[in-house]
Amino acid sequence: NAGVTQTPKFQVLKTGQSMTLQCAQDMNHEYMSWYRQDPGMGLRLIHYSVGAGITDQGEVPNGYNVSRSTTEDFPLRLLSAAPSQTSVYFCASSRSGGNIQYFGAGTRLSVL
Amino acid sequence: DQQVKQNSPSLSVQEGRISILNCDYTNSMFDYFLWYKKYPAEGPTFLISISSIKDKNEDGRFTVFLNKSAKHLSLHIVPSQPGDSAVYFCAATRAGNNRKLIWGLGTSLAVNP
Repeated sequence: NAGVTQTPKFQVLKTGQSMTLQCAQDMNHEYMSWYRQDPGMGLRLIHYSVGAGITDQGEVPNGYNVSRSTTEDFPLRLLSAAPSQTSVYFCASSRSGGNIQYFGAGTRLSVL
Repeated sequence: DQQVKQNSPSLSVQEGRISILNCDYTNSMFDYFLWYKKYPAEGPTFLISISSIKDKNEDGRFTVFLNKSAKHLSLHIVPSQPGDSAVYFCAATRAGNNRKLIWGLGTSLAVNP
């Protein structure tokens, strides 16, 4: 049982480059979300989705896009990377109506 | 405006002793609280939770206590083991909030052999 899988684990980008962080879950969870973790800032919600075709903004959405075409996948897109987006990114999922979220191992992103 | 506060950035205890991690919250609408544990280079993993209708929940060595009047919860680990060394996050949510979790900044626990 893979749970929540994030790829890549590490990425280095130059300012202005674009990339997509992948997130997939095999638990048939309806709810998925993206967080970033920065030193001294805790976990901050970027975007979330309550089901396929439905997404909404979290606390820090600027500079990020998401889509949810399937229940399993929830990619996070950086259209034009900035050094301020250097962070560790976590994807999480939970079942409909559930409060417990299950996390992937994270993607460590550096933007130079 | 930190709605969930973990005021101790770090805690060090001896193996076999009790670890007590504290968490305070400001929003009285929160009705469900969770503790997560995080090892370096891994994602947070769910540890234990408590609903606001309870004041205690126990799971093996881990017990969470909730004091709603004080808006305070605590996680007790007894006995502490070196493998418990990790960062512990407190999180809270409320009904109708699209399951958004509000997170504390974490407490780094070191259990010394």
